[in-house]
Amino acid sequence: NAGVTQTPKFQVLKTGQSMTLQCAQDMNHEYMSWYRQDPGMGLRLIHYSVGAGITDQGEVPNGYNVSRSTTEDFPLRLLSAAPSQTSVYFCATSGVTGNTIYFGEGSWLTVV
Amino acid sequence: DAKTTQPPSMDCAEGRAANLPCNHSTISGNEYVYWYRQIHSQGPQYIIHGLKNNETNEMASLIITEDRKSSTLILPHATLRDTAVYYCIVRALNAGNNRKLIWGLGTSLGVNP
Repeated sequence: NAGVTQTPKFQVLKTGQSMTLQCAQDMNHEYMSWYRQDPGMGLRLIHYSVGAGITDQGEVPNGYNVSRSTTEDFPLRLLSAAPSQTSVYFCATSGVTGNTIYFGEGSWLTVV
Repeated sequence: DAKTTQPPSMDCAEGRAANLPCNHSTISGNEYVYWYRQIHSQGPQYIIHGLKNNETNEMASLIITEDRKSSTLILPHATLRDTAVYYCIVRALNAGNNRKLIWGLGTSLGVNP
């Protein structure tokens, strides 16, 4: 049982480049979300989805896009990377009734 | 969801109990207290949660005061592998909307040999 799988684990981008962080879960959870974690800032919610075809903005959505075409996948897209997006990104899932949040292992992104 | 207050850091001797406090004075009646921990460079990991009764599982015990305004996570016999940042959060049972969750900076627990 893989749980929550994030790829890539490490990535270096140049300013202006685009990329997609992948998140896949095999727990059939309805709820998926993306967080970023910066030193001294704690976890901050970027975007979330309560089911396939439904997404919404979190606390810090600017510069990021998401889509949820299937229950299993919730990719996070950076259309034009900026140094301010250098961070550690975590994907998380939870069931509607279970409530426990499960996190992936994180994706370290550096924008130069 | 209500905000929580935790001390920024604590130390504990290996083999002793680690007691991590959390204040949540504005908690609502339908909000649960959840504890997670984050070991360096890993994703946060669920530990335990409770509503108003004390809870225990294989990882820890959770003591919630009668007025529910504070709680304590107890690691009964701390080991070096328990060195991590511990987060206390409160959230309602309707998990569909997590955007109001405030994770804060947690408590950095250092377990010393």
